[in-house]
Amino acid sequence: DAGITQSPRHKVTETGTPVTLRCHQTENHRYMYWYRQDPGHGLRLIHYSYGVKDTDKGEVSDGYSVSRSKTEDFLLTLESATSSQTSVYFCAIRGEGAYNSPLHFGNGTRLTVT
Amino acid sequence: GDSVTQMEGPVTLSEEAFLTINCTYTATGYPSLFWYVQYPGEGLQLLLKATKADDKGSNKGFEATYRKETTSFHLEKGSVQVSDSAVYFCAHYNNAGNMLTFGGGTRLMVKP
Repeated sequence: DAGITQSPRHKVTETGTPVTLRCHQTENHRYMYWYRQDPGHGLRLIHYSYGVKDTDKGEVSDGYSVSRSKTEDFLLTLESATSSQTSVYFCAIRGEGAYNSPLHFGNGTRLTVT
Repeated sequence: GDSVTQMEGPVTLSEEAFLTINCTYTATGYPSLFWYVQYPGEGLQLLLKATKADDKGSNKGFEATYRKETTSFHLEKGSVQVSDSAVYFCAHYNNAGNMLTFGGGTRLMVKP
């Protein structure tokens, strides 16, 4: 299994508070991703990173920011959490080699915004 | 833009039945195609993939063939087991090869 650890696994927070989710990898891969999973929507890309300090937006990036100061860590921050951000968040890394290598996922963080 | 469409679930089958989960995609070029499986409480796991037209991906008795002419990548299994109960996702890369787009997922329930 790919060495991906997400923390925390569960989080309950109040509307308007900042929240940071962490993704840590031990594979030294360049590409890292944050997705959210919601019923009826499958997985939607929030942000991704293609190297240290190199990030780009996905399809649902509003209300989220990311940072990658080290190869192994990719942080997702909700600056001011809203109820619509209640979701399961998955981090993924892309295997090295061919540009179309599959993604490998962490076990997710379940976030509830009350 | 790029998109992936899967048949809506849940799909409920008896053990040893034949499974088909339909997947069609819209994309420029010929993207690599993937099927992922998600068991309860877990992340997504790669099930199989195909990288070019007419390729057949296979794993654990599941198969899918990359059909360029119908832009489809349907998942099949000849005889499902209770342990196959999970949510299945079809996905493809965009043309730049830096983002994976997923379908909405199809829940499979297999009854003994």
